Amino acid sequence: GIQVEQSPPDLILQEGANSTLRCNFSDSVNNLQWFHQNPWGQLINLFYIPSGTKQNGRLSATTVATERYSLLYISSSQTTDSGVYFCAVGRAGNNRKLIWGLGTSLAVNP
Amino acid sequence: DTAVSQTPKYLVTQMGNDKSIKCEQNLGHDTMYWYKQDSKKFLKIMFSYNNKELIINETVPNRFSPKSPDKAHLNLHINSLELGDSAVYFCASSLWTAIPETQYFGPGTRLLVL
Repeated sequence: GIQVEQSPPDLILQEGANSTLRCNFSDSVNNLQWFHQNPWGQLINLFYIPSGTKQNGRLSATTVATERYSLLYISSSQTTDSGVYFCAVGRAGNNRKLIWGLGTSLAVNP
Repeated sequence: DTAVSQTPKYLVTQMGNDKSIKCEQNLGHDTMYWYKQDSKKFLKIMFSYNNKELIINETVPNRFSPKSPDKAHLNLHINSLELGDSAVYFCASSLWTAIPETQYFGPGTRLLVL
């Protein structure tokens, strides 16, 4: 089955710093979503981005489907950005099943 | 107004018991999912229903039985609970369209089996 690898596994930032999180996947996908799990456990969808670039405030994401990777950019990080960031992918004809990466655990210190 | 809600939020029970978790969504979605998140935070799909029809049934013990009485509800019943069932169970929902849609998650049910 498709493999999803996220890097780095852990990241510590000072407030105000920028960061890039990466998601590599082993096969073509028609579905790629980035999620943030906050320290209270809530999973929030950040982007649905099987290809191209999207921006939402201080966050942006780019997926290069032909090269099988996606990047999540966090600019001017805030303590509320702390948590785990997951990348999840899905393939066509797979009943919308998402395969999840292991996540990047981000801690933003004040 | 909560979009995807789950009850209970916490569940502590003894090995061997039977328990149920309920999920409801008010987003008008037609597809619902159950995920399990283990202690290492790994998320794995367990089941998915589209218009009350089971469409994803991963390798899950028969002790787990989902039920979807209508498009807005998906429940999970677990028989003969085991220690290894301790995890966070998330319900999610989405629309089924020509292309995959964003999945929206409930707050999770934290299950601890003693």
